[in-house]
Parts: sequence; C-alpha cells; structure tokens
Amino acid sequence: NAGVTQTPKFRVLKTGQSMTLLCAQDMNHEYMYWYRQDPGMGLRLIHYSVGEGTTAKGEVPDGYNVSRLKKQNFLLGLESAAPSQTSVYFCASSTLYSGTGASYEQYFGPGTRLTVT
Amino acid sequence: KNEVEQSPQNLTAQEGEFITINCSYSVGISALHWLQQHPGGGIVSLFMLSSGKKKHGRLIATINIQEKHSSLHITASHPRDSAVYICAVPLSNFGNEKLTFGTGTRLTIIP
Repeated sequence: NAGVTQTPKFRVLKTGQSMTLLCAQDMNHEYMYWYRQDPGMGLRLIHYSVGEGTTAKGEVPDGYNVSRLKKQNFLLGLESAAPSQTSVYFCASSTLYSGTGASYEQYFGPGTRLTVT
Repeated sequence: KNEVEQSPQNLTAQEGEFITINCSYSVGISALHWLQQHPGGGIVSLFMLSSGKKKHGRLIATINIQEKHSSLHITASHPRDSAVYICAVPLSNFGNEKLTFGTGTRLTIIP
C-alpha cells in the first residue's frame, strides 16, 4: 500500500495564478483533511471531508476550495494564489479507531512545499 | 476550541539521556495524539491514548485526564530520535475527527 500520496511535491506560483494539489489514499478511509504548516505555528486545518461528495471548512479555509468526487481522492484548489499562501501543505486521512475513547488516527502524506512570489 | 501548549519548544540532549516532552490542553478530550515529524518533513503517528500509559520500544506516553496533561518520554535517546514531536487533541467537544495541534518540540540528540 502506498498510504497517502500528494502531488506535486514542490511548486512555485506567481501571485494570481491558480493550481490544484492532489491527495490520494489507498486505505479506504472515510475522512480526509488538508492542513497547512507555517513556521512557529502548529498544523492548521484548511478543509476536510467526512465522505465522498462532502466537504467542510476547517480553521483557515479562506482562499482555498476542495472537492472529493471519489473516496480515495481529495483535491485542494487555489484559485488566485497570494504570497500569504506560501506554506507546506499536508494531506491526511483517517478512519474511526474503535478502541477505548473513540478517536481518529491520522495518516499523513509527504507534504507539498508551495511558494507564491 | 481546545488549546494545546507544548514544552519545551526546543530540547538538545546527549545521546543516552532520558527525554521528557510535555503537552497541556484546555478542554476535556477523548484521546490525545503524539506525532513525530522527521527532519525531511514526513509526519507519522506515534501514539493515541485516552488514559494511563502506552509504550512502544523506547517511547512511553502518559496522560493525566484530570490535569489535562500528557508527557512523551524517550529512554536511552539516540541521534535518530532527533525530530519534531507534536501533540494533538480533538479541536472541540463536538466530533473527534478534527484535531488541533501544538507547535511542536524540536528535539536534537547529540552523539
């Protein structure tokens, strides 16, 4: 199993350009997430999905859109990139952990380093 | 909204030392997560615990639900343990599928 994969690994955009980051998982997980990681800050949730065809906003959704047309894929779009969106983006997936204290162990992709100039 | 604080932010130790990293949170939770971020950037889940203690190799995680505090210990530390260790808890009381993360503790083990 490949786990969670992300493409591309690196990208440089000019302000105003658009792009789509692709996340794919082969673990049949229901939940998928997009995070951004910035220096000195914890991972912050951008958008997430609890199943195929459904998406929801996280903590920092502005400037991003997402789609989950297939269970295994979760796309993150930047319609008009801004320098403030320079960051490392991580995708993750999870399923319900059916042990004591229901919780969701998350599996992370390798990250995409995006620079907007 | 749950708030997570980790200490210390940075920790440098000699190989073989016993390491302790702390995590405090503000709202009651069902489970707490410890993750490791490698120098190359990859993130892996180490532990998920809701009470007591869990052990995996040289790593031990403990949690005190009443005090809203967890610790991650590393025994006989090794340079390959050098990484950022991140604590995470559910974002709110409603739904455990979303996590909020601490800023991490950067651990450096010197040979």
